[in-house]
Amino acid sequence: DAEITQSPRHKITETGRQVTLACHQTWNHNNMFWYRQDLGHGLRLIHYSYGVQDTNKGEVSDGYSVSRSNTEDLPLTLESAASSQTSVYFCASSDWTSSSTDTQYFGPGTRLTVL
Amino acid sequence: GESVGLHLPTLSVQEGDNSIINCAYSNSASDYFIWYKQESGKGPQFIIDIRSNMDKRQGQRVTVLLNKTVKHLSLQIAATQPGDSAVYFCAESGYGGSQGNLIFGKGTKLSVKP
Repeated sequence: DAEITQSPRHKITETGRQVTLACHQTWNHNNMFWYRQDLGHGLRLIHYSYGVQDTNKGEVSDGYSVSRSNTEDLPLTLESAASSQTSVYFCASSDWTSSSTDTQYFGPGTRLTVL
Repeated sequence: GESVGLHLPTLSVQEGDNSIINCAYSNSASDYFIWYKQESGKGPQFIIDIRSNMDKRQGQRVTVLLNKTVKHLSLQIAATQPGDSAVYFCAESGYGGSQGNLIFGKGTKLSVKP
């Protein structure tokens, strides 16, 4: 079955380290998204991609970067981890076209703790 | 996961009762709306969607109502079960050439008492 996976599911790191969170989807969706979820803020968009080699900044992109070298993967990199980046991170994908719906399908999440 | 539900509006219902969860959306130009369910420790899961050319859509035990006049969306769950306990989010899209980007509400925590 097609799915979207994230790894690792849990990560503890230290301030200043570079961290990469993986997201892999097998639906062949063109759109992929990264969100963070924190108390009192709901889901906030970090970065998104509409296709290979396309990346865009979201609402809270500072300190994060993404790259899209193929359809299936959108890794999220924290350049220099900060305690404010302790959060739960969700990846999502959708098969948006002008005639389709915008339903996004989410991965299981990665809980990141920055000490 | 388990911390998502803290500090959210909470709806507490008895098992077997009907639940109504409400959402006010922000943009009158939005033309597509989705309800998601998020259980503790999991990612949001699609429940039901509706386009702006409809005012009601039914699924299995769930109904979404859309009132464009007051920019209000509701999710009705019939015969609520303990497995329905979760945080529920609404999302909107379709304005400004968003190409699939969604705007999410902050969510409501549904607690079902056995």
